[in-house]
Amino acid sequence: EIVLTQSPATLSLSPGERATLSCRASQSISTYLAWYQQKPGQAPRLLIYDASNRATGIPARFSGSGSGTDFTLTISSLEPEDFAVYYCQQRSNWPRTFGQGTKVEIK
Amino acid sequence: EVQLVESGGGLIQPGGSLRLSCAASGFTVSSNFMSWVRQAPGKGLEWVSVLYSGGSTYYADSVKGRFTISRDNSKNTLYLQMNSLRAEDTAVYYCARQAFNWNYHWGQGTLVTVSS
Repeated sequence: EIVLTQSPATLSLSPGERATLSCRASQSISTYLAWYQQKPGQAPRLLIYDASNRATGIPARFSGSGSGTDFTLTISSLEPEDFAVYYCQQRSNWPRTFGQGTKVEIK
Repeated sequence: EVQLVESGGGLIQPGGSLRLSCAASGFTVSSNFMSWVRQAPGKGLEWVSVLYSGGSTYYADSVKGRFTISRDNSKNTLYLQMNSLRAEDTAVYYCARQAFNWNYHWGQGTLVTVSS
């Protein structure tokens, strides 16, 4: 099973700041990685797929990069609605796995 | 508009069975890849199962042999039959429609609580 390790567990930032979230895979997954955002009481929302493609309707301040084992989600300038938990997921191998999540909180 | 509505959750004793439903509208379940993902209270997301349009199914090791994913084309509905339930199966269960091979559209979830 591929283990996805997200860091940091919590990111404390202010609106307008840049957020950089990391997801590291236990083995190479090419670019078969997605990022989801989840707010309290809501279902997850797909942000980025195949490492760097924004899903429909996702603002340009969200960007993804990486390949192989190291991936990054960047939010260029945090808006109030961006404070949430972010998960990465791989679809390179079975079973599909998620990272444990990074909480982006207001500083 | 794509909509997914889960139902069937509730309180069930350990060892019991439950069937979750995911009623879809705005698209055809049988033509899409459909998934179940769960989230234990206060925890992260856990992939559970997927049903491909061609009929292939895959399961997480934690549910293999106990859970079965299926669909009813006439009702445009996805199911998750859960048998031999354990306390660790307690979670909100989400169904999702895949796009670009990822979980794109999600339902609101249904809570399953396994407890005596």
